[in-house]
Amino acid sequence: SQQGEEDPQALSIQEGENATMNCSYKTSINNLQWYRQNSGRGLVHLILIRSNEREKHSGRLRVTLDTSKKSSSLLITASRAADTASYFCATAPRGTDSWGKFQFGAGTQVVVTP
Amino acid sequence: GAGVSQTPSNKVTEKGKYVELRCDPISGHTALYWYRQSLGQGPEFLIYFQGTGAADDSGLPNDRFFAVRPEGSVSTLKIQRTERGDSAVYLCASSLKTSASNTGELFFGEGSRLTVL
Repeated sequence: SQQGEEDPQALSIQEGENATMNCSYKTSINNLQWYRQNSGRGLVHLILIRSNEREKHSGRLRVTLDTSKKSSSLLITASRAADTASYFCATAPRGTDSWGKFQFGAGTQVVVTP
Repeated sequence: GAGVSQTPSNKVTEKGKYVELRCDPISGHTALYWYRQSLGQGPEFLIYFQGTGAADDSGLPNDRFFAVRPEGSVSTLKIQRTERGDSAVYLCASSLKTSASNTGELFFGEGSRLTVL
């Protein structure tokens, strides 16, 4: 079963605009990560936020985490055509002994047009 | 190698056949993971190795699926008596270590696309 659920399922924006996507999850977590996947490729790690953190930045990426609402958001500022990809949140459930047993959502497909 | 390598990149087989998918992780990465991704979905956890042993195989769908990592490096995912429902992209990932103190980053390969006719 997939714990994380991304919203929206698809997002179409123009270059320069910001893209925001959300992730909701069901159980307590150790951390939450965001990954990007270009079509037909593997996943690439973007950013990790721990359960005791509320916000994190990395370049044009901003991630927030609200553990009381069991939700996270990923903001991509000043989007570029190269940002076109699917974005997935992945949660590491609290108490798991299996570090890599992340649960991924179905992803948000982002299309950035020039 | 520089990244996680998976072979074959594409595999077409007939229902009932046996399939092996190989993963060569990043050198020095002790943890190795297999995920399965169906079209339009996120990756689904299958199994995780720490060294040579399967630390968690709770995601394997049934006993037709088996994975090994005999020397703690390369891993092979084996699927017996393939079914059409096994068609998916099988992703392998590796990481440096497994603890809450690491970055938690998984390095994924490009995947092996399996099509069962």
